[in-house]
Amino acid sequence: AQSVAQPEDQVNVAEGNPLTVKCTYSVSGNPYLFWYVQYPNRGLQFLLKYITGDNLVKGSYGFEAEFNKSQTSFHLKKPSALVSDSALYFCAVTPRGQAGTALIFGKGTTLSVSS
Amino acid sequence: EAGVAQSPRYKIIEKRQSVAFWCNPISGHATLYWYQQILGQGPKLLIQFQNNGVVDDSQLPKDRFSAERLKGVDSTLKIQPAKLEDSAVYLCASSSTSGSTDTQYFGPGTRLTVL
Repeated sequence: AQSVAQPEDQVNVAEGNPLTVKCTYSVSGNPYLFWYVQYPNRGLQFLLKYITGDNLVKGSYGFEAEFNKSQTSFHLKKPSALVSDSALYFCAVTPRGQAGTALIFGKGTTLSVSS
Repeated sequence: EAGVAQSPRYKIIEKRQSVAFWCNPISGHATLYWYQQILGQGPKLLIQFQNNGVVDDSQLPKDRFSAERLKGVDSTLKIQPAKLEDSAVYLCASSSTSGSTDTQYFGPGTRLTVL
């Protein structure tokens, strides 16, 4: 079965420090990978996606993610965290071999940035 | 560009009652998705439409859930009768086509509480 794992329920980081939110995946074939962020009482906002090409993908709000095929990972990173980055982050993958193109999500990681 | 609109934002009902949610996708987007997000979990697909046709409804509990997109634009998701385990946030998303690489844009969601 195709799946996404986010091994950390919560990540805590001080403002100004680099942050990493981890994601690993299990899919057949070449994956299409996405990161979304969710603020309280709001829908998911798109951050970035990996389709093909350069393994380092840059997205919104200074976030980037690195695709690593050998480790089947797609970790989200930011060089300098802001308090306003505190939110719930979801990694997702597009499945293969199914009728539709709906995303399969991980369970989410809460990022807490302290001042 | 206006985003995905959903209403109502919040709904509280008794078990065995019925409820309906409405979604208006981004203008011109052919593909529409309904996801269910239970507290502490990532969103899970309920149904995917391409224009007014169903692409994937394999995870829709068809004994109680129904959805339609009659004119290929707005969509309605209905639950009848509701159960306690239906308490969740219902997210609508749209994308311009049904391609696996397309970004899905999410609405703010409808938070359903079943008492």
